[in-house]
Amino acid sequence: RKEVEQDPGPFNVPEGATVAFNCTYSNSASQSFFWYRQDCRKEPKLLMSVYSSGNEDGRFTAQLNRASQYISLLIRDSKLSDSATYLCVVRAGGTSYGKLTFGQGTILTVHP
Amino acid sequence: DTAVSQTPKYLVTQMGNDKSIKCEQNLGHDTMYWYKQDSKKFLKIMFSYNNKELIINETVPNRFSPKSPDKAHLNLHINSLELGDSAVYFCASSPLAGAADTQYFGPGTRLTVL
Repeated sequence: RKEVEQDPGPFNVPEGATVAFNCTYSNSASQSFFWYRQDCRKEPKLLMSVYSSGNEDGRFTAQLNRASQYISLLIRDSKLSDSATYLCVVRAGGTSYGKLTFGQGTILTVHP
Repeated sequence: DTAVSQTPKYLVTQMGNDKSIKCEQNLGHDTMYWYKQDSKKFLKIMFSYNNKELIINETVPNRFSPKSPDKAHLNLHINSLELGDSAVYFCASSPLAGAADTQYFGPGTRLTVL
């Protein structure tokens, strides 16, 4: 079983749509959770951290369910510029020295 | 004013050759990383250095040897290149090793082994 699993998609949605991505992780000792965004042929960039209480950043809402080891990302009012690959990222606790484990990514295409 | 830079951006070489990729960060961070992103887009950590000291060494063939001359630089040398080494290699840095700090990635080096 992969340490971090995501539905690779692709998700094709019209502008203005709401889309949700899910992610599960296998290591119950994981401590920190993130969503990164990667544009085609570019480097990954942090989109947002995910906190236990859930958090929102503009049109983006992230949720964490530690009991189910499940993370989600909701994008409201999709824009063309949201088209990218969204990477679910998990950091284990303890002496992990910042080691991040990435999911395969979910491809999103927003069309006019 | 590039934060994390890598050279070269593209590298095409023959099997069996030895090549190096350089990485520099001007963010003043203590920790640097090398990741490999294969054709299936999985991004996996290879190495991490904290203030010039190796702290993460994943299961990577010993043909790969990282070198950190100072905390702003982390280079990756690859000996006897194989077809399976073809991938995009990303360098990254973060302020601290153990905290949940943001990792800043370089633009990547696309390596093609023929």
